[in-house]
Amino acid sequence: GENVEQHPSTLSVQEGDSAVIKCTYSDSASNYFPWYKQELGKRPQLIIDIRSNVGEKKDQRIAVTLNKTAKHFSLHITETQPEDSAVYFCAASIQGGSEKLVFGKGTKLTVNP
Amino acid sequence: DAGVTQSPTHLIKTRGQQVTLRCSPKSGHDTVSWYQQALGQGPQFIFQYYEEEERQRGNFPDRFSGHQFPNYSSELNVNALLLGDSALYLCASSWGLKETQYFGPGTRLLVL
Repeated sequence: GENVEQHPSTLSVQEGDSAVIKCTYSDSASNYFPWYKQELGKRPQLIIDIRSNVGEKKDQRIAVTLNKTAKHFSLHITETQPEDSAVYFCAASIQGGSEKLVFGKGTKLTVNP
Repeated sequence: DAGVTQSPTHLIKTRGQQVTLRCSPKSGHDTVSWYQQALGQGPQFIFQYYEEEERQRGNFPDRFSGHQFPNYSSELNVNALLLGDSALYLCASSWGLKETQYFGPGTRLLVL
């Protein structure tokens, strides 16, 4: 079955710097890749997602890139702010086949003021 | 527009007991998926309900069962609770089987 690896497990940056989180997936049939942000004690919130027919997607300070050949995708956060501090999860699924989301283990991002 | 809601928020049970968790999907959504999130881990898929049927199941034992009602709300039942069942149980809803999933706030279950 699908397996998603996420790196790094922790990431600390200074306010205003960029942060990059990387994920790799094992099942080449995966075609949908969402990213969720989870603050302490809160629900995972969808921040951006990408489908396999697109190589890159941006939403203000957040962008996601996808390399289908290498089976990896990345989250890029620019101009980080303290409120970006949270745990970020990547996930993969096969839309139109097995829609269950398979999650990475998460990256704890700390943005220092 | 109400988002995904879950009840109860917290629950304490002892080993061997049974528990029922509830989920109401976001308005307009008809598909409910359940996930277990252990401390410090990513959510793990338990099962998914659509049209009142279990459509997919993850690697969880038969002690975990569910139901979806005609109004699309759902229940997760866990029998013969084990200490290892202590976790945050998340419900996610979507419209149809192919769309983005939105999570509820979760039910934190502690098994003593």
